[in-house]
Amino acid sequence: EAGVAQSPRYKIIEKRQSVAFWCNPISGHATLYWYQQILGQGPKLLIQFQNNGVVDDSQLPKDRFSAERLKGVDSTLKIQPAKLEDSAVYLCASSLEGWGWQETQYFGPGTRLLVL
Amino acid sequence: EDQVTQSPEALRLQEGESSSLNCSYTVSGLRGLFWYRQDPGKGPEFLFTLYSAGEEKEKERLKATLTKKESFLHITAPKPEDSATYLCAVQARGQNFVFGPGTRLSVLP
Repeated sequence: EAGVAQSPRYKIIEKRQSVAFWCNPISGHATLYWYQQILGQGPKLLIQFQNNGVVDDSQLPKDRFSAERLKGVDSTLKIQPAKLEDSAVYLCASSLEGWGWQETQYFGPGTRLLVL
Repeated sequence: EDQVTQSPEALRLQEGESSSLNCSYTVSGLRGLFWYRQDPGKGPEFLFTLYSAGEEKEKERLKATLTKKESFLHITAPKPEDSATYLCAVQARGQNFVFGPGTRLSVLP
């Protein structure tokens, strides 16, 4: 079974530029998550999709971050404009349902973003 | 507010030297506690889910246990390939995962 795919793996941009990340979840998984992981910290949830609807985006900085999940499968996360403090690893995860009892999340390899 | 702390922050062991990692949590209505392993440059890899106090799960040299306030990840006779960051996450009723900061484990040959 293929895992969660993410691209690009690395991205270096200047502050105030825009950047987009792509995620393809495990086939059949209804729920998709985007996390931000700053060096030395645990992942922090940015947004959760159930199929193509947003379930939780309470920690998403909506003035600069946006995300969409078209047709309930792939997802993109965009930052516009980027700030220095956005330098982090952006992880995508998926789970079978997301609202069920003790759902396990499976993670992709992440995209490392460096903002200069 | 839900909180998860992990200790120690970093741990260095000799190969074969057993030890334990701690995950302490404060949540209302625990639904599950999850342990993940994260290698440098990779995403977290799922290890265990624990649902209720008293539960234990084992996988190779790893054993996870759960009480009402904390979880332990016991590592028996570790090998260098066990070196990684170990993350725990809790899921409370109606809430999403809250991750701890992780414990960086180094096992020296």
